[in-house]
Amino acid sequence: DSGVTQTPKHLITATGQRVTLRCSPRSGDLSVYWYQQSLDQGLQFLIQYYNGEERAKGNILERFSAQQFPDLHSELNLSSLELGDSALYFCASSLQDRASYGYTFGSGTRLTVV
Amino acid sequence: GQNIDQPTEMTATEGAIVQINCTYQTSGFNGLFWYQQHAGEAPTFLSYNVLDGLEEKGRFSSFLSRSKGYSYLLLKELQMKDSASYLCAVGSGGGADGLTFGKGTHLIIQP
Repeated sequence: DSGVTQTPKHLITATGQRVTLRCSPRSGDLSVYWYQQSLDQGLQFLIQYYNGEERAKGNILERFSAQQFPDLHSELNLSSLELGDSALYFCASSLQDRASYGYTFGSGTRLTVV
Repeated sequence: GQNIDQPTEMTATEGAIVQINCTYQTSGFNGLFWYQQHAGEAPTFLSYNVLDGLEEKGRFSSFLSRSKGYSYLLLKELQMKDSASYLCAVGSGGGADGLTFGKGTHLIIQP
């Protein structure tokens, strides 16, 4: 157990729908990062939050949004889902606002859009 | 922009040594990371290099040359459980950043 908790582990939904993925960071970690991993693209950085504030944005689509709550858990919202959004979504956490010492990944949410 | 290249797949024999190379071109640099990822599982941290040279940690070692934009991961005494993808990632620097990952090298260990 890495200490980073992601729910749900699996999600199957239809095109056009909206889903919410949840992440609880490791105890004491203030930063949360979201990544998307598909077979052909590898791990793609989506967005980072630090202590409740957005700190960095990567290749995140406008249909996707995220937030970090006062208790430091984070949610990634995916809307108007398309078949191409099917992927593994990982959350990672770290103590500080930079990745200097790497970070710890959760076990991921596998999203299947049908 | 960020560009990280590593071989797509490598095959090695149990008990042997394998070197996985990674080259990178990034707009900034504050460290190079190697992660191991078994199929369908989370990536796990292996090593971090920010200065030139070799870092050794048990059977795994990682090397960095910042002037050449080059790193390698060396795995010794290979075991079947080492069959996995190995991801090279670069931190681009600045006050806040997400790591940029290469597409990973799928390592197959044969008996």
